[in-house]
Amino acid sequence: NAGVTQTPKFQVLKTGQSMTLQCAQDMNHNSMYWYRQDPGMGLRLIYYSASEGTTDKGEVPNGYNVSRLNKREFSLRLESAAPSQTSVYFCASTLSLVGQETQYFGPGTRLLVL
Amino acid sequence: AQSVTQLGSHVSVSEGALVLLRCNYSSSVPPYLFWYVQYPNQGLQLLLKYTSAATLVKGINGFEAEFKKSETSFHLTKPSAHMSDAAEYFCAVSDPGSGNQFYFGTGTSLTVIP
Repeated sequence: NAGVTQTPKFQVLKTGQSMTLQCAQDMNHNSMYWYRQDPGMGLRLIYYSASEGTTDKGEVPNGYNVSRLNKREFSLRLESAAPSQTSVYFCASTLSLVGQETQYFGPGTRLLVL
Repeated sequence: AQSVTQLGSHVSVSEGALVLLRCNYSSSVPPYLFWYVQYPNQGLQLLLKYTSAATLVKGINGFEAEFKKSETSFHLTKPSAHMSDAAEYFCAVSDPGSGNQFYFGTGTSLTVIP
């Protein structure tokens, strides 16, 4: 049981390049989330998927797109990377049932946009 | 709308001293509250959670937190700090009615002085 996995661990991009961050969970969770973490700002929600087949914007969705590929996988795409998107990105998942609200986090992807 | 305020972005304590990390929340519905810990270059790990059962919640590594509705607080404590407690701590409130979104505080960095 690997929990939540993310690839890649590190990435350097040039401004304007695109990339996709991958996330997978093996806990049969319904809901999945993408956050970015910046110094002094905590974690901010980019997009989430409450269930397979649905996605919704979070607090900071501009410049990102997501795909809930199946119940296990939730990817985050940067179509045209900007230096402001330099951050650490975390994926999380939860069963989203009463009493099972805990979100479980992946190890993160560190992204540098030059 | 839900929000979380963590007072003190940096807290230093001596080894063996009491740890007190403050968290206040605002919520339009009865909240679920969480404390997570993040060690350097790692993801977030759940310390403890309050989900409307006992107001005093015990978590891992000797941490506990007390839910005080009248003060809208959920402060994290540990009687005796250990060097291994040095990390970033995040308080979060969840919104069950909105895809179980989490709202995080900006974090408190705990330093333990030998």
